[in-house]
Amino acid sequence: EADIYQTPRYLVIGTGKKITLECSQTMGHDKMYWYQQDPGMELHLIHYSYGVNSTEKGDLSSESTVSRIRTEHFPLTLESARPSHTSQYLCASSDSFMNTEAFFGQGTRLTVV
Amino acid sequence: AQSVTQLDSQVPVFEEAPVELRCNYSSSVSVYLFWYVQYPNQGLQLLLKYLSGSTLVKGINGFEAEFNKSQTSFHLRKPSVHISDTAEYFCAARGRGYNKLIFGAGTRLAVHP
Repeated sequence: EADIYQTPRYLVIGTGKKITLECSQTMGHDKMYWYQQDPGMELHLIHYSYGVNSTEKGDLSSESTVSRIRTEHFPLTLESARPSHTSQYLCASSDSFMNTEAFFGQGTRLTVV
Repeated sequence: AQSVTQLDSQVPVFEEAPVELRCNYSSSVSVYLFWYVQYPNQGLQLLLKYLSGSTLVKGINGFEAEFNKSQTSFHLRKPSVHISDTAEYFCAARGRGYNKLIFGAGTRLAVHP
Protein backbone atom coordinates (compact mmCIF):
# COMPACT_ATOMS: atom_id res chain seq x y z
CA GLU A 1 0.00 0.00 0.00
CA ALA A 2 1.46 3.31 -1.11
CA ASP A 3 1.57 6.07 1.46
CA ILE A 4 1.34 9.28 -0.51
CA TYR A 5 -1.37 11.78 0.25
CA GLN A 6 -2.74 14.78 -1.57
CA THR A 7 -5.02 17.44 -0.16
CA PRO A 8 -7.50 18.71 -1.01
CA ARG A 9 -9.07 16.11 -3.31
CA TYR A 10 -11.30 18.72 -4.92
CA LEU A 11 -10.93 22.50 -4.97
CA VAL A 12 -13.11 25.14 -6.59
CA ILE A 13 -11.65 28.60 -6.33
CA GLY A 14 -12.07 32.05 -7.85
CA THR A 15 -9.75 33.68 -10.36
CA GLY A 16 -6.82 35.53 -8.84
CA LYS A 17 -6.66 33.53 -5.62
CA LYS A 18 -3.44 32.00 -4.35
CA ILE A 19 -3.60 28.24 -3.83
CA THR A 20 -1.33 25.55 -2.50
CA LEU A 21 -1.82 21.89 -3.27
CA GLU A 22 -0.32 19.63 -0.63
CA CYS A 23 1.52 16.38 -1.22
CA SER A 24 3.14 14.25 1.47
CA GLN A 25 4.69 10.80 1.45
CA THR A 26 5.74 8.61 4.35
CA MET A 27 7.95 6.19 2.43
CA GLY A 28 11.16 8.18 2.70
CA HIS A 29 11.41 8.47 -1.08
CA ASP A 30 13.97 10.97 -2.34
CA LYS A 31 12.30 11.74 -5.67
CA MET A 32 8.95 13.47 -6.01
CA TYR A 33 6.96 14.62 -9.02
CA TRP A 34 3.96 16.70 -10.03
CA TYR A 35 1.97 15.76 -13.11
CA GLN A 36 -0.87 17.69 -14.74
CA GLN A 37 -3.66 15.74 -16.39
CA ASP A 38 -6.64 17.18 -18.28
CA PRO A 39 -9.77 14.94 -18.33
CA GLY A 40 -9.21 11.86 -20.48
CA MET A 41 -5.77 13.04 -21.48
CA GLU A 42 -2.18 12.01 -20.90
CA LEU A 43 -0.05 12.99 -17.95
CA HIS A 44 2.44 15.81 -18.33
CA LEU A 45 5.35 16.25 -15.93
CA ILE A 46 5.41 19.83 -14.64
CA HIS A 47 7.87 19.63 -11.71
CA TYR A 48 10.22 17.15 -10.12
CA SER A 49 12.62 16.99 -7.21
CA TYR A 50 15.63 14.77 -6.57
CA GLY A 51 15.76 15.61 -2.89
CA VAL A 52 15.61 18.39 -0.33
CA ASN A 53 16.25 21.82 -1.85
CA SER A 54 16.33 20.33 -5.36
CA THR A 55 13.54 21.18 -7.81
CA GLU A 56 13.38 21.35 -11.58
CA LYS A 57 10.84 22.19 -14.24
CA GLY A 58 9.28 19.33 -16.12
CA ASP A 59 8.45 18.87 -19.77
CA LEU A 60 5.27 20.97 -19.72
CA SER A 61 5.64 24.63 -18.90
CA SER A 62 3.63 25.61 -15.85
CA GLU A 63 3.04 28.87 -13.98
CA SER A 64 3.06 26.94 -10.72
CA THR A 65 6.02 26.70 -8.36
CA VAL A 66 7.15 24.01 -5.95
CA SER A 67 9.37 23.69 -2.92
CA ARG A 68 11.08 20.78 -1.18
CA ILE A 69 12.14 21.83 2.30
CA ARG A 70 11.49 18.42 3.83
CA THR A 71 11.90 15.00 2.24
CA GLU A 72 8.29 14.03 2.82
CA HIS A 73 6.61 17.23 1.63
CA PHE A 74 6.35 18.64 -1.91
CA PRO A 75 3.71 21.39 -2.15
CA LEU A 76 2.68 23.09 -5.40
CA THR A 77 1.65 26.75 -5.40
CA LEU A 78 -0.22 28.93 -7.86
CA GLU A 79 0.18 32.62 -6.95
CA SER A 80 -2.82 33.75 -8.99
CA ALA A 81 -5.20 31.08 -10.22
CA ARG A 82 -6.76 31.36 -13.67
CA PRO A 83 -9.42 29.27 -15.46
CA SER A 84 -6.61 27.85 -17.67
CA HIS A 85 -5.21 26.19 -14.54
CA THR A 86 -8.31 24.01 -14.24
CA SER A 87 -7.03 20.44 -14.35
CA GLN A 88 -6.18 17.41 -12.25
CA TYR A 89 -2.83 17.51 -10.49
CA LEU A 90 -1.16 14.22 -9.52
CA CYS A 91 1.74 13.92 -7.12
CA ALA A 92 4.10 10.93 -7.17
CA SER A 93 7.25 9.70 -5.45
CA SER A 94 9.92 7.10 -6.09
CA ASP A 95 13.09 5.74 -4.50
CA SER A 96 16.25 6.22 -6.52
CA PHE A 97 18.08 3.42 -4.64
CA MET A 98 15.42 0.87 -5.50
CA ASN A 99 14.98 2.52 -8.91
CA THR A 100 11.51 1.12 -9.36
CA GLU A 101 8.06 2.49 -10.00
CA ALA A 102 6.56 5.78 -8.94
CA PHE A 103 3.75 5.74 -6.40
CA PHE A 104 0.87 8.14 -6.99
CA GLY A 105 -1.45 10.07 -4.76
CA GLN A 106 -5.19 10.25 -5.38
CA GLY A 107 -4.90 13.58 -7.16
CA THR A 108 -6.36 17.05 -6.70
CA ARG A 109 -9.03 18.16 -9.12
CA LEU A 110 -8.75 21.95 -9.38
CA THR A 111 -11.47 24.13 -10.90
CA VAL A 112 -10.87 27.86 -11.24
CA VAL A 113 -14.00 29.88 -11.89
CA ALA B 1 15.11 11.01 -26.12
CA GLN B 2 12.42 8.74 -24.85
CA SER B 3 8.82 8.45 -25.96
CA VAL B 4 5.93 6.12 -25.35
CA THR B 5 3.14 5.48 -27.86
CA GLN B 6 -0.10 3.78 -27.01
CA LEU B 7 -1.55 2.71 -30.29
CA ASP B 8 -5.23 2.69 -29.33
CA SER B 9 -7.00 5.55 -27.59
CA GLN B 10 -10.07 3.42 -26.90
CA VAL B 11 -10.66 -0.32 -26.79
CA PRO B 12 -14.24 -1.60 -26.44
CA VAL B 13 -14.60 -5.26 -25.51
CA PHE B 14 -17.29 -7.59 -24.21
CA GLU B 15 -17.08 -9.12 -20.76
CA GLU B 16 -15.10 -12.38 -20.58
CA ALA B 17 -13.38 -11.66 -23.90
CA PRO B 18 -9.59 -11.37 -24.15
CA VAL B 19 -7.98 -7.98 -24.56
CA GLU B 20 -4.63 -6.55 -25.63
CA LEU B 21 -3.59 -2.94 -25.09
CA ARG B 22 -0.63 -1.97 -27.22
CA CYS B 23 2.39 0.07 -26.19
CA ASN B 24 5.56 0.92 -28.09
CA TYR B 25 8.51 2.85 -26.74
CA SER B 26 11.60 4.49 -28.12
CA SER B 27 14.74 5.03 -26.14
CA SER B 28 18.43 5.34 -26.78
CA VAL B 29 19.15 3.45 -23.57
CA SER B 30 17.78 0.37 -21.84
CA VAL B 31 14.48 1.05 -20.15
CA TYR B 32 12.27 0.08 -17.30
CA LEU B 33 8.65 -0.33 -18.41
CA PHE B 34 5.40 -0.01 -16.48
CA TRP B 35 1.66 -0.29 -16.88
CA TYR B 36 -0.60 1.74 -14.63
CA VAL B 37 -4.40 1.76 -14.27
CA GLN B 38 -6.49 4.79 -13.40
CA TYR B 39 -10.10 4.51 -12.25
CA PRO B 40 -12.33 7.62 -12.47
CA ASN B 41 -11.30 10.41 -10.13
CA GLN B 42 -8.43 8.37 -8.76
CA GLY B 43 -4.65 8.39 -8.91
CA LEU B 44 -2.61 5.81 -10.81
CA GLN B 45 -2.11 2.28 -9.53
CA LEU B 46 0.73 0.08 -10.73
CA LEU B 47 -0.43 -3.04 -12.61
CA LEU B 48 2.99 -4.50 -13.44
CA LYS B 49 6.57 -3.62 -14.28
CA TYR B 50 9.49 -4.90 -16.31
CA LEU B 51 12.93 -4.21 -14.89
CA SER B 52 15.01 -7.10 -16.25
CA GLY B 53 14.98 -10.88 -16.60
CA SER B 54 11.96 -12.76 -17.89
CA THR B 55 10.22 -10.91 -20.69
CA LEU B 56 6.77 -12.06 -19.56
CA VAL B 57 5.68 -10.24 -16.45
CA LYS B 58 2.55 -10.92 -14.45
CA GLY B 59 0.72 -8.24 -12.54
CA ILE B 60 -2.32 -7.71 -10.43
CA ASN B 61 -5.93 -8.41 -11.44
CA GLY B 62 -4.91 -11.14 -13.91
CA PHE B 63 -3.00 -8.83 -16.26
CA GLU B 64 0.30 -9.71 -17.90
CA ALA B 65 2.65 -8.02 -20.36
CA GLU B 66 5.44 -9.11 -22.62
CA PHE B 67 8.59 -7.11 -23.24
CA ASN B 68 9.77 -7.43 -26.84
CA LYS B 69 13.10 -5.70 -27.31
CA SER B 70 13.32 -6.21 -31.08
CA GLN B 71 9.88 -4.66 -31.60
CA THR B 72 10.31 -2.16 -28.76
CA SER B 73 6.90 -3.14 -27.46
CA PHE B 74 5.34 -3.85 -24.09
CA HIS B 75 1.75 -4.92 -24.78
CA LEU B 76 -0.67 -5.57 -21.93
CA ARG B 77 -2.98 -8.58 -22.04
CA LYS B 78 -5.75 -10.21 -20.07
CA PRO B 79 -7.39 -13.48 -21.17
CA SER B 80 -10.84 -12.65 -19.79
CA VAL B 81 -11.94 -9.16 -18.80
CA HIS B 82 -14.54 -8.10 -16.24
CA ILE B 83 -16.79 -5.07 -16.08
CA SER B 84 -14.62 -3.83 -13.23
CA ASP B 85 -11.62 -3.60 -15.59
CA THR B 86 -13.20 -0.57 -17.25
CA ALA B 87 -10.62 2.19 -16.68
CA GLU B 88 -7.83 4.20 -18.29
CA TYR B 89 -4.55 2.33 -18.78
CA PHE B 90 -1.20 4.08 -19.09
CA CYS B 91 2.06 2.67 -20.35
CA ALA B 92 5.20 4.35 -19.01
CA ALA B 93 8.96 4.10 -19.46
CA ARG B 94 12.06 5.33 -17.71
CA GLY B 95 15.55 5.04 -19.15
CA ARG B 96 18.09 3.38 -16.88
CA GLY B 97 20.07 6.10 -15.22
CA TYR B 98 17.36 8.67 -15.91
CA ASN B 99 14.92 10.00 -13.39
CA LYS B 100 11.87 11.02 -15.38
CA LEU B 101 8.98 8.65 -16.01
CA ILE B 102 7.47 9.23 -19.47
CA PHE B 103 3.83 8.30 -20.04
CA GLY B 104 1.86 7.37 -23.10
CA ALA B 105 -1.43 9.11 -23.89
CA GLY B 106 -3.49 6.34 -22.31
CA THR B 107 -5.97 3.75 -23.56
CA ARG B 108 -9.54 3.76 -22.35
CA LEU B 109 -10.73 0.18 -21.89
CA ALA B 110 -14.53 -0.11 -21.93
CA VAL B 111 -15.89 -3.52 -20.97
CA HIS B 112 -19.50 -4.12 -21.99
CA PRO B 113 -21.87 -6.79 -20.63
